Amino acid sequence: SQTIHQWPATLVQPVGSPLSLECTVEGTSNPNLYWYRQAAGRGLQLLFYSVGIGQISSEVPQNLSASRPQDRQFILSSKKLLLSDSGFYLCAWSVRGPKDTEAFFGQGTRLTVV
Amino acid sequence: GENVEQHPSTLSVQEGDSAVIKCTYSDSASNYFPWYKQELGKRPQLIIDIRSNVGEKKDQRIAVTLNKTAKHFSLHITETQPEDSAVYFCAASGNTGNQFYFGTGTSLTVIP
Repeated sequence: SQTIHQWPATLVQPVGSPLSLECTVEGTSNPNLYWYRQAAGRGLQLLFYSVGIGQISSEVPQNLSASRPQDRQFILSSKKLLLSDSGFYLCAWSVRGPKDTEAFFGQGTRLTVV
Repeated sequence: GENVEQHPSTLSVQEGDSAVIKCTYSDSASNYFPWYKQELGKRPQLIIDIRSNVGEKKDQRIAVTLNKTAKHFSLHITETQPEDSAVYFCAASGNTGNQFYFGTGTSLTVIP
């Protein structure tokens, strides 16, 4: 069966520090991968999505970047965190194919920038 | 890109009553519409989905309807129970690139 791992679960970082969140998927190949951010009490904002290694699309201009160095690995990064980067970050994957299917979410990372 | 709007943002119902959450989308190319339930501090999980070739789908106490012409879809929960209390998100997908675009969420509270 497929599983998705996301870590760390919680993170407290000072303003101006770098960020690296990692997500890996097991049990499937060639998945679509996504990074979402959920601000407190708000919806899920799509940050990045990837349809293959090295293929990253950004939905919103921001202080973050994403990379996909391997087929089932998706990394969210920042060189210098801002206070506004605080939030709940969710990695997700879906099967790539002719029909869209559900997105499966990781457990999430609660990031607090102080 | 796709724009998904969701209403209401908060909803309180008495246990046993029905709850309805409505979403609209902008991209006529979207063809897959999942609904997710997120309990406090946890990941969103799929509860029901519908494809554009279907007008209605039911699964026990939950149902989803889709009006492609009007570009709106709705979640219906009947005989609500306290454990239905959570945040519910609608989403649209199927435009180029398989992105999922989510609504802003509805916080449902079922009052015992």
